[in-house]
Amino acid sequence: DSGVTQTPKHLITATGQRVTLRCSPRSGDLSVYWYQQSLDQGLQFLIQYYNGEERAKGNILERFSAQQFPDLHSELNLSSLELGDSALYFCASSVGPQGDQETQYFGPGTRLLVL
Amino acid sequence: GENVEQHPSTLSVQEGDSAVIKCTYSDSASNYFPWYKQELGKRPQLIIDIRSNVGEKKDQRIAVTLNKTAKHFSLHITETQPEDSAVYFCAASKVGPGGSYIPTFGRGTSLIVHP
Repeated sequence: DSGVTQTPKHLITATGQRVTLRCSPRSGDLSVYWYQQSLDQGLQFLIQYYNGEERAKGNILERFSAQQFPDLHSELNLSSLELGDSALYFCASSVGPQGDQETQYFGPGTRLLVL
Repeated sequence: GENVEQHPSTLSVQEGDSAVIKCTYSDSASNYFPWYKQELGKRPQLIIDIRSNVGEKKDQRIAVTLNKTAKHFSLHITETQPEDSAVYFCAASKVGPGGSYIPTFGRGTSLIVHP
């Protein structure tokens, strides 16, 4: 158990809908990263937050957005869902600039199926 | 941006044999190289990592080597066991605009260890 939690574990929805994925980092970690894992694209970095602020953006679609709250949990919002958005979504956390910032610990993931 | 190539995509070995997975990266600014093991349906778990100021690192049956000049790094697993069967991902990380390490992952190697 990495100490990173994600909810829900599974999500089934329809095209055009909007969903919210939630992540709680390890105790003490300030950085949260979101990743999408699909068969054809592999593990892709989406976005990173550090202590409530967006720090880096990767291959994140405009239909997707995220935020990190004062208690450091983060939410990834996926809207106007398409079949191709079906994937495993992982969040990971790390300490941040004051500590071992390189090492990321992954949560168990949310499996999203868009029908 | 960074590009990470990982080979082979599938590796089948007999229990007790050694397994080697190789990765190359393109961006000389990358300076942190983690390896993750992902069992089916589970989260990626960090198994070993290496920083660019070190050429080799070992942890029991697992070792990683790094050649900065050639921009490649490898994972070596000795005395493989059936429980080593999983998908292994390499990553090359560098500090992003926000000051945090952002990894680029390889496409993964499916390791199968036959009893």
